[in-house]
Amino acid sequence: GESVGLHLPTLSVQEGDNSIINCAYSNSASDYFIWYKQESGKGPQFIIDIRSNMDKRQGQRVTVLLNKTVKHLSLQIAATQPGDSAVYFCAEKAAGNKLTFGGGTRVLVKP
Amino acid sequence: DAGVIQSPRHEVTEMGQEVTLRCKPISGHNSLFWYRQTMMRGLELLIYFNNNVPIDDSGMPEDRFSAKMPNASFSTLKIQPSEPRDSAVYFCASSFGDLYEQYFGPGTRLTVT
Repeated sequence: GESVGLHLPTLSVQEGDNSIINCAYSNSASDYFIWYKQESGKGPQFIIDIRSNMDKRQGQRVTVLLNKTVKHLSLQIAATQPGDSAVYFCAEKAAGNKLTFGGGTRVLVKP
Repeated sequence: DAGVIQSPRHEVTEMGQEVTLRCKPISGHNSLFWYRQTMMRGLELLIYFNNNVPIDDSGMPEDRFSAKMPNASFSTLKIQPSEPRDSAVYFCASSFGDLYEQYFGPGTRLTVT
């Protein structure tokens, strides 16, 4: 999900369905990746992370997949709920502790 | 734990005024980050500190912006003089060691008129 200025890409999903949010990263030297969820009026909240020596990691209802060959990251949310409506950001880390954030994808869950 | 604490939560000021944003990181965390979020530019890293020392300030827009971390439990981001284009939400985040997960505060919404 890349931002295009004022307009965030939006994913509309039916409650109970699975969601897949995609992210392309730019730096082949990045060795750590993280997904954040940001609800309106709040700061970003950690969801799940993955290091570059892994290609899949699972959490509670969420799975992150990493494809280093094509520099692609995805977040899968199982059985999407209304509380999952938010903006989701991926971020990558190369040198040091600095994270570089993508533009975000808005997820709207329809009841 | 109270999480990262930021103050004020909202700030409205006039162009030319000095603005100071404050952050208290999570106790025990040794890295602190200041971000700015706007609709046009998304979430941008301004500066980060490790063990109270500024490590990377390449994201600081210009000399009007300055940040300090006098001790492990407090940091400030100052804008002087402020301009309307500085209007944004400013977030502080902290992390511990080489656990790269950053914990964000609730943000300060700054409006410069």
